[in-house]
Amino acid sequence: DAGVIQSPRHEVTEMGQEVTLRCKPISGHDYLFWYRQTMMRGLELLIYFNNNVPIDDSGMPEDRFSAKMPNASFSTLKIQPSEPRDSAVYFCASSNWRETGELFFGEGSRLTVL
Amino acid sequence: DAKTTQPTSMDCAEGRAANLPCNHSTISGNEYVYWYRQIHSQGPQYIIHGLKNNETNEMASLIITEDRKSSTLILPHATLRDTAVYYCIVRRRNSGGGADGLTFGKGTHLIIQP
Repeated sequence: DAGVIQSPRHEVTEMGQEVTLRCKPISGHDYLFWYRQTMMRGLELLIYFNNNVPIDDSGMPEDRFSAKMPNASFSTLKIQPSEPRDSAVYFCASSNWRETGELFFGEGSRLTVL
Repeated sequence: DAKTTQPTSMDCAEGRAANLPCNHSTISGNEYVYWYRQIHSQGPQYIIHGLKNNETNEMASLIITEDRKSSTLILPHATLRDTAVYYCIVRRRNSGGGADGLTFGKGTHLIIQP
C-alpha cells in the first residue's frame, strides 16, 4: 500500500485566497483525521471522520475551515478565506481502529499564507 | 485522557540504548500508553503501545511500571536516524470501535550523537 497520500506537499498563497488540501487514506481504513502543526501550538487535531461521517470537529478553529469526505478514499480540508495565521503543516492520518489503534500519517501539506 | 510529562530533550550516543521516560500518574485502568515519533519534516510514526505488560517489537521496547504511573521507551541500539521528537500518549481504546484522535503533547527531542 502507498500509505496516506496528501496533496499538495507545498502551497504558497496570498491572504484571502481559497486553499484546498487533499488526502487519500489507506484503503480499508475507516477513520480519517486532520491535524495541524505549528511551532507555537504543536500538533492539534482539527476533525475526524468515521466511515465518511464527521464525528468531532471541535478542533476546527473557525468557520473559515471546512472538511469533507465524499467517499472512503478521499477527503478535503478547505480554508476560505485564508489568513497568514493559517500557515502551518497540515497532516492527514487514517486508521483501522479495531486493530492496533495505530494512526498512519501522511507526509503533510505545508501551507504558507502571505 | 490522562496527561503525560516528558523531558524536553535528551542526548544519547550512537550505538547506545536510548531510554525515554514518561510520567502518566493519572492514568486510569482502561487507558493505553502509546509512543509515536516524528522525524523532522515527516508525519508522526507509530512505534509501540501497551496496557500493563512490557511490550517489544522490531523498533523498540516499552516498559510500564507495575503501578502504571510511568513508562520507558527503549531504543536498544540508537542510530543517527533515530533523532526525532518522541511523543508519549495515554488514551482509551474503545473496544466497540469508537475512537477519537490522539492528543499530542510537546514530546521529547531525542538527539543521537555520533
